[in-house]
Order: sequence, then structure tokens, then C-alpha cells
Amino acid sequence: RKEVEQDPGPFNVPEGATVAFNCTYSNSASQSFFWYRQDCRKEPKLLMSVYSSGNEDGRFTAQLNRASQYISLLIRDSKLSDSATYLCVVPSGGSQGNLIFGKGTKLSVKP
Amino acid sequence: DAGITQSPRHKVTETGTPVTLRCHQTENHRYMYWYRQDPGHGLRLIHYSYGVKDTDKGEVSDGYSVSRSKTEDFLLTLESATSSQTSVYFCAISGPGSLSGNTIYFGEGSWLTVV
Repeated sequence: RKEVEQDPGPFNVPEGATVAFNCTYSNSASQSFFWYRQDCRKEPKLLMSVYSSGNEDGRFTAQLNRASQYISLLIRDSKLSDSATYLCVVPSGGSQGNLIFGKGTKLSVKP
Repeated sequence: DAGITQSPRHKVTETGTPVTLRCHQTENHRYMYWYRQDPGHGLRLIHYSYGVKDTDKGEVSDGYSVSRSKTEDFLLTLESATSSQTSVYFCAISGPGSLSGNTIYFGEGSWLTVV
């Protein structure tokens, strides 16, 4: 299993749809996880942190399944402004500073 | 937004020339990182620093060196640029604790083209 793996998409959904992304990871010792959002030609920005079984913030829900080693991101009532690439991030088991980034899942929300 | 400034933001250089990218932070954070992002590879760690004059290699450190003489500045140097180093480079910082549990924040990126 690759260290962090995401479906690259693109996911093309209509406004108002619910969409979910999955991310699998290989390091079973990882304790914290992150979802970042990256717009085209911009820097990644933190969307959500996931430390326990899950986290909810408005229309966004992140869930963690340690047994199966995956995290998911659910976006409800999609907006045009949600169009971006979503990066799954997992700390590696090594030294400080080693975050493993997924390659990202591209979401395109259409009118 | 985290106080991170990268310079230059865009640069075109010739193969074989040295290039230095600068990252400046105003957050007094201990950890600083340099990543590169390429299509099909995602973000990859080049080097990171855990304090003044304390640095370590990341996943793709060959051809790069770094220096951190002050808390606020982290420099990335390409001693002799090659076309394979054409990329977008992101500086990042994270807080005073251990990495797990601390999120990292990115600068706006530096687009480097080596011709």
C-alpha cells in the first residue's frame, strides 16, 4: 500500500450535491490527520484536522477509520466555491517534519 | 493567514546557475520546511529546520541545500540549477510543539523555471 493514496478524480458534481472523498494511509501509528484545500496556482490551506473518530465543521465532515486505515471527507450542499483540489495529509512515523501528502482529489462543482 | 513571505515569487534562470529562494516568517515558529510540488507527485519535502542552524534532509534533498541563521528566515539554495528543478516551491511553518497535532501553514509559493 502506498503511504497515502487518494482518488485523483476529477469529481464533477452539480451544485447542492453531496460528495465524499476517501484517503487510505499505510502508517498505522499515525495519530493525527489533515485535509487541506488547494486552489489552482495557490498554496494549500488547512481545511480540517482529524484527531479522533471524526470532525465536523459546517458542511464539511471528516471521518477516521483506524481499523481500515482510511479517512474521508464529506462535503454537503456543494457550492461553486468548493471547486478545488483536496489533499489528504498524514504524518509519517519518522522524524519531525515528515508529513506525507496525498496527490489530491480534484473537485469541480458545476452550476 | 500565517505570516509567511516567499521571495522571489517567480523566477526564470538558466541551467547551471545558482538560485536562492527565501522564506521569511513573522510567527516565531520553530519548524520551517521547503516543499516542491510537481504534477503527478504532489507535495514532496526537500529540507526542513527545527531551529536556528538545525536542519535535516527530506525526501528529495539531492541538489538542494538550506540554511537557517535566524528564526524567521529559511533559505533554499539550488547550487547549480537543472531543468528537473523546474517546479513550484512552497515554504511552510509549524508551531512549537511536536509535529503531530500541529498543523502547518504554507507560503504563497515560488515558481521557478530552469531553461
